[in-house]
Amino acid sequence: GAGVSQTPSNKVTEKGKYVELRCDPISGHTALYWYRQSLGQGPEFLIYFQGTGAADDSGLPNDRFFAVRPEGSVSTLKIQRTERGDSAVYLCASSHGPVNGGELFFGEGSRLTVL
Amino acid sequence: AQSVTQLDSQVPVFEEAPVELRCNYSSSVSVYLFWYVQYPNQGLQLLLKYLSGSTLVESINGFEAEFNKSQTSFHLRKPSVHISDTAEYFCAVSALPSGSARQLTFGSGTQLTVLP
Repeated sequence: GAGVSQTPSNKVTEKGKYVELRCDPISGHTALYWYRQSLGQGPEFLIYFQGTGAADDSGLPNDRFFAVRPEGSVSTLKIQRTERGDSAVYLCASSHGPVNGGELFFGEGSRLTVL
Repeated sequence: AQSVTQLDSQVPVFEEAPVELRCNYSSSVSVYLFWYVQYPNQGLQLLLKYLSGSTLVESINGFEAEFNKSQTSFHLRKPSVHISDTAEYFCAVSALPSGSARQLTFGSGTQLTVLP
């Protein structure tokens, strides 16, 4: 497809389980972002990739969260030992380069519910 | 670091009435400013942006926003709204390239509901 694709669209898991969320960005976009949106809040920055490397991971809340982008395209956000507070919509976005002055293209998000 | 405040979480308005969605920001460096919109069951999409030049920027569907540096504001306005404008609107900032931030910082959003 032409847009940013995220899978799964919905994920329900139990506390303590491991979760992977996948993002397929727009072809040719070098920059990829992960955001988290909790109920009633705006998107909160998690991590930014430029190519294969994480250029800025200052938004990751703790070491249970990790993201990779091994070939500079698809990215996976990994959450270990999930907690109920991790429940949120996880948004992926891509752009031609760093967002300053540019436009971010967002996917529809993966809704994670931790029971 | 930057921060964005959207004071109004919900704005109901009747069709064809004017609307203003407020956005104030805080930053120690110069910023770019954005409004993103999220229609029901869709992803966030860019509505308009201010980078430089004229402080008044417009979208293709009749919205406009004015950058006011002295008041650190970027309020979004439309003179006459349609039912189809019902959506959540997010104001966002990013630091200029010379700044340290390379991501967007979003406000908490304003749900605009247009009533018939």
